[in-house]
Amino acid sequence: LAKTTQPISMDSYEGQEVNITCSHNNIATNDYITWYQQFPSQGPRFIIQGYKTKVTNEVASLFIPADRKSSTLSLPRVSLSDTAVYYCLVGDAHNNDMRFGAGTRLTVKP
Amino acid sequence: EAGVVQSPRYKIIEKKQPVAFWCNPISGHNTLYWYRQNLGQGPELLIRYENEEAVDDSQLPKDRFSAERLKGVDSTLKIQPAELGDSAVYLCASSSGELKYNEQFFGPGTRLTVL
Repeated sequence: LAKTTQPISMDSYEGQEVNITCSHNNIATNDYITWYQQFPSQGPRFIIQGYKTKVTNEVASLFIPADRKSSTLSLPRVSLSDTAVYYCLVGDAHNNDMRFGAGTRLTVKP
Repeated sequence: EAGVVQSPRYKIIEKKQPVAFWCNPISGHNTLYWYRQNLGQGPELLIRYENEEAVDDSQLPKDRFSAERLKGVDSTLKIQPAELGDSAVYLCASSSGELKYNEQFFGPGTRLTVL
């Protein structure tokens, strides 16, 4: 399984765009990149998944360069309720072979 | 649609006592996961089931931990005997290969405190 590296923590202010980068130098051909969000006292929740280029949904965008050795989760115009831990997972999502790392603790300030 | 159900939500026990956690996944989800999450860390996979078969239990401490999913639906995770270091949140998740992203849906977890 590819090892992932993320910043331990990030701070932002309401209304700003937040970009969280994940490094995964050993990503394999069959691996997908998946991001989860976790609020205190809750289980993680799926945000977005991608294989290459750009993926966008109603809550986030995921940017993946051509070499796929890193990825960036982009949260547009964050609010206080986006304060959470964000996990980057790399693995064969369709064979259920992924692992959580330590995550990035995002704090959004007023 | 009901989400992943776990019980109990909280459990406090003395060390060396046994404890069991129960999980009922989302209906129709054939994959079930048990995770342990220590404070300030990401979830650590303990065991993954595909239907009733344990396909990945490499991280399960088999000397004291056991799990079962007899009919491929709900599952039980047991610790016997518990140690102080087992204090953590135990999360259950389920997924279905029929979903586009095969995302995992998590329950609220069971917070275990071993005294």
